[in-house]
Formats: sequence, C-alpha cells, structure tokens
Amino acid sequence: EAGVAQSPRYKIIEKRQSVAFWCNPISGHATLYWYQQILGQGPKLLIQFQNNGVVDDSQLPKDRFSAERLKGVDSTLKIQPAKLEDSAVYLCASSRNRGTAKTWNTEAFFGQGTRLTVV
Amino acid sequence: TQLLEQSPQFLSIQEGENLTVYCNSSSVFSSLQWYRQEPGEGPVLLVTVVTGGEVKKLKRLTFQFGDARKDSSLHITAAQPGDTGLYLCAGGENAGGTSYGKLTFGQGTILTVHP
Repeated sequence: EAGVAQSPRYKIIEKRQSVAFWCNPISGHATLYWYQQILGQGPKLLIQFQNNGVVDDSQLPKDRFSAERLKGVDSTLKIQPAKLEDSAVYLCASSRNRGTAKTWNTEAFFGQGTRLTVV
Repeated sequence: TQLLEQSPQFLSIQEGENLTVYCNSSSVFSSLQWYRQEPGEGPVLLVTVVTGGEVKKLKRLTFQFGDARKDSSLHITAAQPGDTGLYLCAGGENAGGTSYGKLTFGQGTILTVHP
C-alpha cells in the first residue's frame, strides 16, 4: 500500500511570505496529523483531524497557521506570514483509528516531511 | 497536555555495547510506541505496547511498558552502527471525550554508534 505522500520536500522562503504544504494520507486512514519538528527534537503536534473535522488544534498558532482537510482525505497546512522561528520540518502522519474507544489504534505512519527554511 | 520525558537526550557508544533509553510520564497512556527516525526521513514505527508490564522483543531491541502504563524503556543489545538515529517514544490516548487517538511524542534520544 502506498505511504503518506507530502510535498514539497524542501522550501525556502523569506520572512513574512506565505507557504503551503500538502499531504495525502494512506488510503482509508481516518486520522491525519500535522507535526512540527525542530532539528534534533521530537515532533510537536500542530493539528489533528478525524475525517474532515478538527479534534485538536490546541498548539496551532492560529494567528499565522491554518489547515484544512475538506473532503476527509488530503490536507493542506498554510503559514501566513512566516517567521524565522517557523524553520522546521513539517511532518504529516495518518492513522487508521477506527473501532471502539478501547481499541483505537494510534499507530501513526509518517511522510518524509517538508523542510522549511525561513530566511 | 500530557508530557513524555526521554533520557538520555544524547547517547554516543561503541559498536557492541548495550544501552537503555527511558521514557517517563506522570500520566497514564493507553499505548506507548517507539519510533526510529533517520535524517531526512519521517519517524518509522518500531513497536507498540499496550498492556502494563508488557515486554516485546524485536531482534536486538527489547521494549518494556511499565506496570502503571506511565513509563517505558528501550534496550538495545550489542549496538551496531546501523542503529544510529533518533529514537522517539510516543504516548497514545484512546478515544474518550475528545482524545480521538491523540499521539504525544517525547523529545527524542539521539543515538550514535561508532564502529
């Protein structure tokens, strides 16, 4: 089965510019995550979708970041305007997460990520 | 927000040595996963443990979930240069209220195995 697809792989922009990332999860996976990973650190959850609804965006800087998953399949993450501290790898992951409350499977499958450099 | 603390943050060892990485939290998780990440790639799942006290082995890697499901350890026997990478633990929360399978990562352990 095809893995999680992300594009672009690399992006360099100037501060105050806008940028968008795209993610296509594994077919049939209901849950989609966007993580931000600073070099050498663990991923930090930005937003989590269940189908096309947002279930957690508590750590998303909503003044500049936005994300959507309109048809419950692929997703886009946008930053507008970008700041220097947004330089990081943006990872998309998906999880099947179907079943009863006691059997939800949170095993996530990740894409290769988009490395963003803001100069 | 539930937090996971990993230790050590950095580990540099010689080929053939053994090592243990720890993942601790004050919160209970429904499952605990370990991922390995290489430069330029996304994390790849190694194992999932769901039962308190559970031990799983994957070749030279042994994973343990604490009895109270708050902590976990990863032990590597006879480390090899190919084991070099960033090791991440992640706590999974089952659906209940608004959890919907939230996955929280620790800050990671950078392992370097020298030939």
